[in-house]
Amino acid sequence: QQPVQSPQAVILREGEDAVINCSSSKALYSVHWYRQKHGEAPVFLMILLKGGEQKGHDKISASFNEKKQQSSLYLTASQLSYSGTYFCGTEGVRGSARQLTFGSGTQLTVLP
Amino acid sequence: GAGVSQSPSNKVTEKGKDVELRCDPISGHTALYWYRQSLGQGLEFLIYFQGNSAPDKSGLPSDRFSAERTGGSVSTLTIQRTQQEDSAVYLCASSLLGQGLGEQYFGPGTRLTVT
Repeated sequence: QQPVQSPQAVILREGEDAVINCSSSKALYSVHWYRQKHGEAPVFLMILLKGGEQKGHDKISASFNEKKQQSSLYLTASQLSYSGTYFCGTEGVRGSARQLTFGSGTQLTVLP
Repeated sequence: GAGVSQSPSNKVTEKGKDVELRCDPISGHTALYWYRQSLGQGLEFLIYFQGNSAPDKSGLPSDRFSAERTGGSVSTLTIQRTQQEDSAVYLCASSLLGQGLGEQYFGPGTRLTVT
């Protein structure tokens, strides 16, 4: 089942912060975050495993609460280069296989 | 070596024709994934290969879609009797670890337009 991302879109000024949320109705093994710039392929940002850990990538960090089946991506002091569509992928079980299912994306626009 | 490559980059075909899309994963990556992305939409999972076998074909939209992978490397996605709703960007990704466990490296995609 597809995870739900919110908000669908966000516009902010350079230097501002943003939070993107991802939630699932199913138990999760991990959450993946990707960023896709317009006309390009998605690029991996980070994987969060069970344990409620936070990970960081430059000024982008994320948390994963497996009890709530939720993950949040935090963009601090946003830069113009952060613009793009952010996808979360939730790893769950489908039949006997573990599968990554992507959300519909959050479009982030950073203005100067 | 190089990243994931896909060919062709663009394909325009007439409704009812068959098309083949090719994916060359990163050397050594055992897992290979196909996704479909319609304009402005998310990533729709199609099929996953671990080696040459496909443990999960659940995402294929209809029996017009099929995929194979040979030699644990190159994969081909075939769409028979194409329909206009098949128009989308088809993305291939590979990872070192299977079952969605590892970082997926995406190719540039094939933009398919069915007229």
